[in-house]
Amino acid sequence: ETGVTQSPTHLIKTRGQQVTLRCSSQSGHNTVSWYQQALGQGPQFIFQYYREEENGRGNFPPRFSGLQFPNYSSELNVNALELDDSALYLCASSLDGGLPKNIQYFGAGTRLSVL
Amino acid sequence: AQKVTQAQTEISVVEKEDVTLDCVYETRDTTYYLFWYKQPPSGELVFLIRRNSFDEQNEISGRYSWNFQKSTSSFNFTITASQVVDSAVYFCALSEWLSDSEKLTFGTGTRLTIIP
Repeated sequence: ETGVTQSPTHLIKTRGQQVTLRCSSQSGHNTVSWYQQALGQGPQFIFQYYREEENGRGNFPPRFSGLQFPNYSSELNVNALELDDSALYLCASSLDGGLPKNIQYFGAGTRLSVL
Repeated sequence: AQKVTQAQTEISVVEKEDVTLDCVYETRDTTYYLFWYKQPPSGELVFLIRRNSFDEQNEISGRYSWNFQKSTSSFNFTITASQVVDSAVYFCALSEWLSDSEKLTFGTGTRLTIIP
């Protein structure tokens, strides 16, 4: 049990729709990272939020956006859904603010299916 | 660019056998971290270990042990006396600095099945 919770656990959308996924970080953690895991693959880094600002981004288009709130919880928004967006979306929280960066603890993910 | 290779896609062993999961990485960074995570069917990635690039000492934790060899860019994971509860997908990961953030680059995972 990592203390990182994600909602919803499963979601079905149709192509072109928009979706919002939510993440509550572990108590005391100030950094949230989002990853996309396609079936049979390893997780791919989408972006990271630290103190409510985007702090780094992977190779994902702008239709993937996020927010971090004052309580350090976070949302991942995906616009204009495509079939290839079907994946497990994982959120990870960590306590950052210096070096070394701390360990990222993951939630159980949201499984998104785009039809 | 960073890369993590887990050449073993699937491994099956009989309970109580030892099993080693291989991980090879590529990086230009001189300072980095290596990780192993376990992903059971529930989907949650469970942290197992983090190793600093300057610390090449092998580590043992109960039935788990890790062999880090910088000369061959490998960070292998051995489970001794495997148990059915060890069945999961195991991921090796490498930290990378991206602007001001640290991201993890994962391998494609090794699915381990322990046969009772």
